[in-house]
Amino acid sequence: AQSVTQLDSQVPVFEEAPVELRCNYSSSVSVYLFWYVQYPNQGLQLLLKYLSGSTLVESINGFEAEFINSQTSFHLRKPSVHISDTAEYFCAVSDMNTGFQKLVFGTGTRLLVSP
Amino acid sequence: GAVVSQHPSWVICKSGTSVKIECRSLDFQATTMFWYRQFPKQSLMLMATSNEGSKATYEQGVEKDKFLINHASLTLSTLTVTSAHPEDSSFYICSAGETKQTSYQETQYFGPGTRLLVL
Repeated sequence: AQSVTQLDSQVPVFEEAPVELRCNYSSSVSVYLFWYVQYPNQGLQLLLKYLSGSTLVESINGFEAEFINSQTSFHLRKPSVHISDTAEYFCAVSDMNTGFQKLVFGTGTRLLVSP
Repeated sequence: GAVVSQHPSWVICKSGTSVKIECRSLDFQATTMFWYRQFPKQSLMLMATSNEGSKATYEQGVEKDKFLINHASLTLSTLTVTSAHPEDSSFYICSAGETKQTSYQETQYFGPGTRLLVL
């Protein structure tokens, strides 16, 4: 079984400042790792994912996450945030054996970007 | 990108009544749909996996007789909360996996969720 921990329920930050949203996971098997974003009144959208290969993955809107196996972490970072990045961010894992079928989510981190 | 809709977006009902929630994939076919539940300040928890034309697979601890799932077509799955009680009040989210040849690489697309309040 897997579990995901997002320690920060809310992260306030000023516009153009850097941000890191933390995600740690626990699993007895190899996993795929995901970050989803949920904007107000919308469904979860896949932001980025780690399947294999390079441990640093990037999204099209400037976010990146690094898989560090030794720390069982997959923190999400952005060097300069925008107001429009205000949303709820969910880290998730899935067992490599089940592919994307069964996602285990963290409790989410609300990113609040202020001008 | 692929869009998944849910209806209704919110519903209030009396204790003991049944509520049906619809999940539709709007521009793609979904062999598999998933139903999640999210309580305040908690994770999304997978309730069941719904496969078109067959019975749903429920996660441990989820009552299959209470949460009826029907996946009659490749674009529609329904979740019916039967004899709802206040403890069933929650945020219900569906997702749909796009049918592809390499099923283990399919991406899940999420609906906006349905907020259920049982009085």
